Amino acid sequence: AQSVSQHNHHVILSEAASLELGCNYSYGGTVNLFWYVQYPGQHLQLLLKYFSGDPLVKGIKGFEAEFIKSKFSFNLRKPSVQWSDTAEYFCAVNGYSGGGADGLTFGKGTHLIIQP
Amino acid sequence: DTGVTQSPTHLIKTRGQQVTLRCSPISGHKSVSWYQQVLGQGPQFIFQYYEKEERGRGNFPDRFSARQFPNYSSELNVNALLLGDSALYLCASSPGLAGAETQYFGPGTRLLVL
Repeated sequence: AQSVSQHNHHVILSEAASLELGCNYSYGGTVNLFWYVQYPGQHLQLLLKYFSGDPLVKGIKGFEAEFIKSKFSFNLRKPSVQWSDTAEYFCAVNGYSGGGADGLTFGKGTHLIIQP
Repeated sequence: DTGVTQSPTHLIKTRGQQVTLRCSPISGHKSVSWYQQVLGQGPQFIFQYYEKEERGRGNFPDRFSARQFPNYSSELNVNALLLGDSALYLCASSPGLAGAETQYFGPGTRLLVL
């Protein structure tokens, strides 16, 4: 069974601060990794994804994430946050065995608040 | 370009009742997945349907069932509602089997069971 652990449930930062949200997963095989974001009053949106290739992936709005296979981690980073980044961030994994039928496993989420 | 749509947006039911939630995927997408999101938690996988067949099921009781229609829209049914079924129910679609592709989420249906 796959599982996802997000290290921080609540993070408060000031504008222009750097951000790193931790995510670790547990799965024995090939995985596809995702970060989704849920802005206040909006639905889940894809921020970025990793399927294969370059372990450093870039997403929308200046976000990036690095897949470190040896550490089973997929941490999300942004060098300088803005007030508009206030949202709930979810790390998710899909263990891909070829059947593709397991669905996404999500972490519990990190509630990020950016203070102006 | 229309995204994933869900109906209704909100629903109030009482314990023991049955509920049906509806989802229309993005045009051209053949896979629909359902998730339950309880307040303060990440979404939990319930079902995946692809080409009208169930292709995956999460750890939910048999009170939960779903189906997919020839136009790829889907319904989620929950029987004998419990207070603990109160949650945001999310539908997600992808072009093919969701294992290797990105899933796109709808706005959800918020269900309150009294």
